[in-house]
Amino acid sequence: NAGVTQTPKFRVLKTGQSMTLLCAQDMNHEYMYWYRQDPGMGLRLIHYSVGEGTTAKGEVPDGYNVSRLKKQNFLLGLESAAPSQTSVYFCASRQDVLGMGKAFFGQGTRLTVV
Amino acid sequence: RKEVEQDPGPFNVPEGATVAFNCTYSNSASQSFFWYRQDCRKEPKLLMSVYSSGNEDGRFTAQLNRASQYISLLIRDSKLSDSATYLCVVNSLSGGTSYGKLTFGQGTILTVHP
Repeated sequence: NAGVTQTPKFRVLKTGQSMTLLCAQDMNHEYMYWYRQDPGMGLRLIHYSVGEGTTAKGEVPDGYNVSRLKKQNFLLGLESAAPSQTSVYFCASRQDVLGMGKAFFGQGTRLTVV
Repeated sequence: RKEVEQDPGPFNVPEGATVAFNCTYSNSASQSFFWYRQDCRKEPKLLMSVYSSGNEDGRFTAQLNRASQYISLLIRDSKLSDSATYLCVVNSLSGGTSYGKLTFGQGTILTVHP
């Protein structure tokens, strides 16, 4: 049982390049999330999904797009990377058990935009 | 105003000390609350859920005050291994239909020294 897997784990991009981060979960969870974490900022919610085919914006959605075509996968896209998007990205999934479902996290993707 | 606010610290305490962290949230429609722990450069992991009546798990006690929109975490008899960042997390309404939005505070850094 792999839990939540993020791909890739590390990446260096040039300004203006595009890329897609993949989050895969094998727990049949309804909810999935993308966060970014910068020093001293905690985790900031980028986008999230409460079910297959649905997505919603979080606190810092600008410059990112997402898709949830399959329940187990949640993709985060950067169309034109900027140095301000240098960060550690975490994906999470959870099942909403009367609101108390535990979130499981991937190990993070360290992205540097130069 | 941030949806979830924490005192970032850092808190530096000796082994055996009692330390308390506070957190406030702005969305009165928030449904459920959690404390997560994050070790350096690792993914966050659930420490404990916070119940309306307050709850205890060994040396850890969590309290919720819905009227004041305030959550707290108390750690008694601190251990060196408690050194980490503690994240306050709030689950709130998403799009008016489901409680799927999971928002993190910026985290409180705790260092326990010998």
